[in-house]
Amino acid sequence: EVQLVESGGGLVKPGGSLRLSCAASGFTFTSYSMNWVRQAPGKGLEWVSSISSSSSYIYYADSVKGRLTISRDNAKNSLYLQMNSLRAEDTAVYYCAREKNWGGFDLWGRGTLVTVSS
Amino acid sequence: EIVLTQSPGTLSLSPGERATLSCRASQSVSSNYLAWYQQKPGQAPRLLIYGASSRATGIPDRFSGSGSGTDFTLTISRLEPEDFAVYYCQQYGSSPRTFGQGTKVEIK
Repeated sequence: EVQLVESGGGLVKPGGSLRLSCAASGFTFTSYSMNWVRQAPGKGLEWVSSISSSSSYIYYADSVKGRLTISRDNAKNSLYLQMNSLRAEDTAVYYCAREKNWGGFDLWGRGTLVTVSS
Repeated sequence: EIVLTQSPGTLSLSPGERATLSCRASQSVSSNYLAWYQQKPGQAPRLLIYGASSRATGIPDRFSGSGSGTDFTLTISRLEPEDFAVYYCQQYGSSPRTFGQGTKVEIK
């Protein structure tokens, strides 16, 4: 089955760290760029970061630059988001999403909730 | 950064009616790399339209996209009960890959 499954979310204190994972299956992971998108409770979608298939190109939203780090392990078909110096405004459901070549985000995981609170 | 502004914020319509959603970009979207997504409560977004007008796999033909440059439209020709949801546009031609704020299509 073609799917993405996120894990690693939870409750963390402000200033803390968390590492999210996204396991891909059912497709050739190495053929796709991947993204993280988040959604704060009751709010819209916010693109967070993207990484190309070979990790050559990496981009971040200004709101997370310097605190969140995207990476991937193609041997493990996995995408990661290392989250440091977390703030209350980082509270959101984090989705990983596959990027169809110049065709939008065509496959999404179910998301994992990150709550930053003391 | 390209800012996408969607209108209206909420659209109140009845099943069977036509829905027209707008997405305006603050600058021209590269190669019309504009997508539309549908999101229902508690679910992940679903890709409907990419490249401004191409339907994604499995999307019914009552969904259509049009536009170019800075003005884009998503049209649902006849609303089905399952179409009541929030719709987002997104540009993916440049980074950051920004989303619009969403249009909620609700039952009148």
